[in-house]
Amino acid sequence: AQSVTQLDSHVSVSEGTPVLLRCNYSSSYSPSLFWYVQHPNKGLQLLLKYTSAATLVKGINGFEAEFKKSETSFHLTKPSAHMSDAAEYFCVVSDQNDYKLSFGAGTTVTVRA
Amino acid sequence: GAGVSQSPSNKVTEKGKDVELRCDPISGHTALYWYRQRLGQGLEFLIYFQGNSAPDKSGLPSDRFSAERTGESVSTLTIQRTQQEDSAVYLCASSLYAGTDTQYFGPGTRLTVL
Repeated sequence: AQSVTQLDSHVSVSEGTPVLLRCNYSSSYSPSLFWYVQHPNKGLQLLLKYTSAATLVKGINGFEAEFKKSETSFHLTKPSAHMSDAAEYFCVVSDQNDYKLSFGAGTTVTVRA
Repeated sequence: GAGVSQSPSNKVTEKGKDVELRCDPISGHTALYWYRQRLGQGLEFLIYFQGNSAPDKSGLPSDRFSAERTGESVSTLTIQRTQQEDSAVYLCASSLYAGTDTQYFGPGTRLTVL
């Protein structure tokens, strides 16, 4: 069985400063890992996906995440936050070749002008 | 192309009434998934379809919940005798095939049970 822990329920950053969203996972097998973003009143959008290729995964809108097996982590970063990054972010894990996604509780990002 | 669509976007109902939620997946996607998102929580898996069959219904919370899919397209999630704890956003996703294919999500249906 797999599970995800998002270590911060809320992150507040100033525009132009780095963003770090922390995620730890547990998985019985080689995991697939995802970050999804949910803007207010919008559907979930895939930011990036890791499936056992390169450990540093680049996504859309300047986000990237690094898979660290030894730390069972998949933290999401962006060098410079933009106002449009204000949203809720979900770290998601599935056992490889498994359709069932396990979601973290989410991290709400606020960007200050 | 068109994404996953869901209707209605909002539904308010009285306790004890039945509700039907609809999902239109991306055309050509064979796998379809239903999730529930309670306030302040992540998504809970409910059920998934491969074609018109549902190999895994393990996430359905009770026998008041059922789902069907016809024509390898539209799916309906039905909740009978709704309870206040059923209030949540119900999200549908589809993927080309079940497994590692990326799941694309619809905007959800916000259900409020009074």
